[in-house]
Amino acid sequence: NAGVTQTPKFRVLKTGQSMTLLCAQDMNHEYMYWYRQDPGMGLRLIHYSVGEGTTAKGEVPDGYNVSRLKKQNFLLGLESAAPSQTSVYFCASSYSILSGGQETQYFGPGTRLLVL
Amino acid sequence: AQTVTQSQPEMSVQEAETVTLSCTYDTSESDYYLFWYKQPPSRQMILVIRQEAYKQQNATENRFSVNFQKAAKSFSLKISDSQLGDAAMYFCAYRKTSYDKVIFGPGTSLSVIP
Repeated sequence: NAGVTQTPKFRVLKTGQSMTLLCAQDMNHEYMYWYRQDPGMGLRLIHYSVGEGTTAKGEVPDGYNVSRLKKQNFLLGLESAAPSQTSVYFCASSYSILSGGQETQYFGPGTRLLVL
Repeated sequence: AQTVTQSQPEMSVQEAETVTLSCTYDTSESDYYLFWYKQPPSRQMILVIRQEAYKQQNATENRFSVNFQKAAKSFSLKISDSQLGDAAMYFCAYRKTSYDKVIFGPGTSLSVIP
């Protein structure tokens, strides 16, 4: 199992450009999450998904959109990048509590995004 | 709203010694989960240990153990026999059992001195 993978690992954008970050997991997890990590602030939840075709807002959803068309993939989109979105982005996945799964989230390696 | 606080931005420990990282949290829930995650320079988030709030017994994983004080809402991590590979950012995290959002603390950077 590859676990949770993220593409790309690093990207530089100009203000106003758009891009999509891809997260893939091969553990058949129901839940998937996108976090951003900024110095001194820990990880903050952007959006999450409790299953294929469903998404929900987290703590800091503004400026981002997500899609979960397939169970194994969770995409994070930036329609018009801003310097404030410079951050490290982490994807994570976990089993559903309702399915009797674990509470643990498994994280991807992160994507470093720089917006100029 | 739930919050997680880590009051020690940076800590250091001599190799082979013991260090304790502090974490406090705020919640009105009675059932929840607490976690410690480690983030080495590679940036991968690695689960170190987890604790169910309904369990009174403190969780242990090899050299890692926690001191869970539910009434005080405290969840400290003790690392025994510290090794150079323990150097990393450590994040305390909280999750309600009713849904899967995880709230992370700001992190503690641990250095291990040879």
